[in-house]
Amino acid sequence: SQQGEEDPQALSIQEGENATMNCSYKTSINNLQWYRQNSGRGLVHLILIRSNEREKHSGRLRVTLDTSKKSSSLLITASRAADTASYFCATRVTGQNFVFGPGTRLSVLP
Amino acid sequence: DTAVSQTPKYLVTQMGNDKSIKCEQNLGHDTMYWYKQDSKKFLKIMFSYNNKELIINETVPNRFSPKSPDKAHLNLHINSLELGDSAVYFCASSQHGRGWTGELFFGEGSRLTVL
Repeated sequence: SQQGEEDPQALSIQEGENATMNCSYKTSINNLQWYRQNSGRGLVHLILIRSNEREKHSGRLRVTLDTSKKSSSLLITASRAADTASYFCATRVTGQNFVFGPGTRLSVLP
Repeated sequence: DTAVSQTPKYLVTQMGNDKSIKCEQNLGHDTMYWYKQDSKKFLKIMFSYNNKELIINETVPNRFSPKSPDKAHLNLHINSLELGDSAVYFCASSQHGRGWTGELFFGEGSRLTVL
């Protein structure tokens, strides 16, 4: 079974609204990353949060990590049409490769 | 000056054929990967090479054979293609060792369609 799983599977919002996506995982991790994938393109790294961190910011992105609940959330504030993409969380356990969840498809409507 | 480039971008072929996908990275990274993304967007690692040495080989049919002639290249050869091999294949790279941020750099993908 997958290590990481995003929720919701799909999200549709209006431009200017905030978008929140969640990721849950099963085993203890070293760090967790979020990636964005535009349609027909490769994945692009957004942000990494280590297991000893609780929150990180990067521009309009805010990521939280709750290791007790084995979950992370990605918040995109003041969304734009260009934020329309699929968002994936990837978890890494020591000595192992990153395992990706199935992603959340975000649609930002103008 | 593309960081991770893979060719071809699209590949349409008949069942039973053999095909290759090439990947090159100019980031100086020591680790390269092949991922398979299925129609439901689920991304799964297939292989990982560190300095030309195979370090990860997930449960992949032995019809798939990666080759790394040097640490900047990781090619994927697929024999006897089957319908279920249709997917988008992504090459990625990263730099391990001191100061590793863990970031993966992905290519644009190669969409394989087996008819």
